[in-house]
Amino acid sequence: GAVVSQHPSRVICKSGTSVKIECRSLDFQATTMFWYRQFPKQSLMLMATSNEGSKATYEQGVEKDKFLINHASLTLSTLTVTSAHPEDSSFYICSASGVGRGRGNSPLHFGNGTRLTVT
Amino acid sequence: AQTVTQSQPEMSVQEAETVTLSCTYDTSESDYYLFWYKQPPSRQMILVIRQEAYKQQNATENRFSVNFQKAAKSFSLKISDSQLGDAAMYFCAPIFGNEKLTFGTGTRLTIIP
Repeated sequence: GAVVSQHPSRVICKSGTSVKIECRSLDFQATTMFWYRQFPKQSLMLMATSNEGSKATYEQGVEKDKFLINHASLTLSTLTVTSAHPEDSSFYICSASGVGRGRGNSPLHFGNGTRLTVT
Repeated sequence: AQTVTQSQPEMSVQEAETVTLSCTYDTSESDYYLFWYKQPPSRQMILVIRQEAYKQQNATENRFSVNFQKAAKSFSLKISDSQLGDAAMYFCAPIFGNEKLTFGTGTRLTIIP
């Protein structure tokens, strides 16, 4: 089946620094990638939708200058948490849908997630 | 606004028994897709089952089946012959007018040996 690789799985950074998380589709072309945030014991909250070659669309309340998303190719999207603060500590998950796959026709494929801890 | 409600924050079931997880939603769309995802302690999101709203027949995937009631906007998941490996968070997640999954609040399922 389709595989989405997310890296790193865990990262600890100091307050004020930036962290980049990568999401790669390994065996299909991902025209659309989604970034989610999940707090402990809570559901997934969609942060933004990125389409290859265009600017990401952010959900209401998500700071686009803080969470920079780049989707430069059909296999890679990155999320950069800039000037990280302890409240940014969370679990971040990406998912991808592919070329030729209609809405709902093919389920989204999820990465394994990244646990970010800001000290 | 499109909403998804999972009214059971936690459920438990005896191993080998059957359990049903409920999900209701609200949408004005007529064509959409519904999913159940499982998130075990590893936190990997795993697709359990999928249902197309235009299909009247309920989807079945081995021990997992759904009861889809379109008029009632209900999409429950039935797990038969529960196994220890079924222990996880279960999320109901429809796709309405676009490709975005809308996740419910989740139900934590515990399997009692």
